[in-house]
Amino acid sequence: AQTVTQSQPEMSVQEAETVTLSCTYDTSESNYYLFWYKQPPSRQMILVIRQEAYKQQNATENRFSVNFQKAAKSFSLKISDSQLGDTAMYFCAFMNYNNNDMRFGAGTRLTVKP
Amino acid sequence: DTAVSQTPKYLVTQMGNDKSIKCEQNLGHDTMYWYKQDSKKFLKIMFSYNNKELIINETVPNRFSPKSPDKAHLNLHINSLELGDSAVYFCASSQLGGNTGELFFGEGSRLTVL
Repeated sequence: AQTVTQSQPEMSVQEAETVTLSCTYDTSESNYYLFWYKQPPSRQMILVIRQEAYKQQNATENRFSVNFQKAAKSFSLKISDSQLGDTAMYFCAFMNYNNNDMRFGAGTRLTVKP
Repeated sequence: DTAVSQTPKYLVTQMGNDKSIKCEQNLGHDTMYWYKQDSKKFLKIMFSYNNKELIINETVPNRFSPKSPDKAHLNLHINSLELGDSAVYFCASSQLGGNTGELFFGEGSRLTVL
């Protein structure tokens, strides 16, 4: 099965600053999706952004963007203009397109400080 | 209308008891999942069903038995509960081969075994 590694257990950032969360993965598959999910204290899992492996263009969603390096198997998340509401656990995830097997990294706890 | 709903949201029980968690999705998806989130927030896949057929069965004790009566429902029954079963259990759904790959999560069911 695929593995997903998030090497930063905790990070903090000042409000309005930019922060980047790291993620690497290991797979032999060619068709897959990558995701970042956010889990605030409410524990609801919220999709932040997705990337299809066949697309070279990096995905963006408002203040959230990714740096997808397929050859390096790297998928980092950049949060611009951080807001207090961005405080949450962030999970990187890999999905095998053929069987929808989704695996998560260990998560990064992000704290946005006022 | 909640897309993926789980019941109960909270469950407190004694060691040795048997309990069930129910999950229903109204998104028309054909794939459903159970994930376990431990106290360190690690999300581990337990089971995945596609059209009522088991397709992913991780190394989960056989005290855990999933049941999918139809593709909109996936229930989790746990026999002889142990302290280590205390966790948040998430149900999720997706569409196999869909163009987004996104998993839609329920709100989670927090199980506490005393």
